[in-house]
Amino acid sequence: DAMVIQNPRYQVTQFGKPVTLSCSQTLNHNVMYWYQQKSSQAPKLLFHYYDKDFNNEADTPDNFQSRRPNTSFCFLDIRSPGLGDAAMYLCAASLAGGPLETQYFGPGTRLLVL
Amino acid sequence: QKEVEQNSGPLSVPEGAIASLNCTYSDRGSQSFFWYRQYSGKSPELIMFIYSNGDKEDGRFTAQLNKASQYVSLLIRDSQPSDSATYLCAVKTSYDKVIFGPGTSLSVIP
Repeated sequence: DAMVIQNPRYQVTQFGKPVTLSCSQTLNHNVMYWYQQKSSQAPKLLFHYYDKDFNNEADTPDNFQSRRPNTSFCFLDIRSPGLGDAAMYLCAASLAGGPLETQYFGPGTRLLVL
Repeated sequence: QKEVEQNSGPLSVPEGAIASLNCTYSDRGSQSFFWYRQYSGKSPELIMFIYSNGDKEDGRFTAQLNKASQYVSLLIRDSQPSDSATYLCAVKTSYDKVIFGPGTSLSVIP
């Protein structure tokens, strides 16, 4: 089945220690997204790729970076995680064009910062 | 004014009843509207999308859209305990951005 896959499902890191979260999709969708979701809050868009074009949200901290080496893969790098970065990180993919641009989410990676 | 608003809940309904979830949005030119279900600790799962005024039914779920009132709702008929989750409304705006609401927590009481 076509899907969005995220690894790892749980990630524990130390304060200030860089961490990378990965996402892959077999949907062949051209848009990929990274969201941060904290408890009882809506998903917050960090950035998205439209094909290779990178779009950063204005309020995304510089501490967060992203790479998309090809259509299928996308990475989220947190350069110096702080305690406030502990959250669920959601990757999503969509096929751009038209009003029915549905986002399909991966299972998420829950990040714990010690 | 927040771009997408929902009642935070929790909304409690007895098993078998109709659950009604509401969402309002600020961008009058918004194009399409999505309802996602999110179980605790899991990722959002698409339930329905709607882009034309009126009702759209899929099994026990009905989405209703009123663009003049900038209002979209989700009705769940014959609610089951397994429907207990947070329901996220998402709106694709006129500037091609999808905005999520804060979600409504639904609890179906057996």
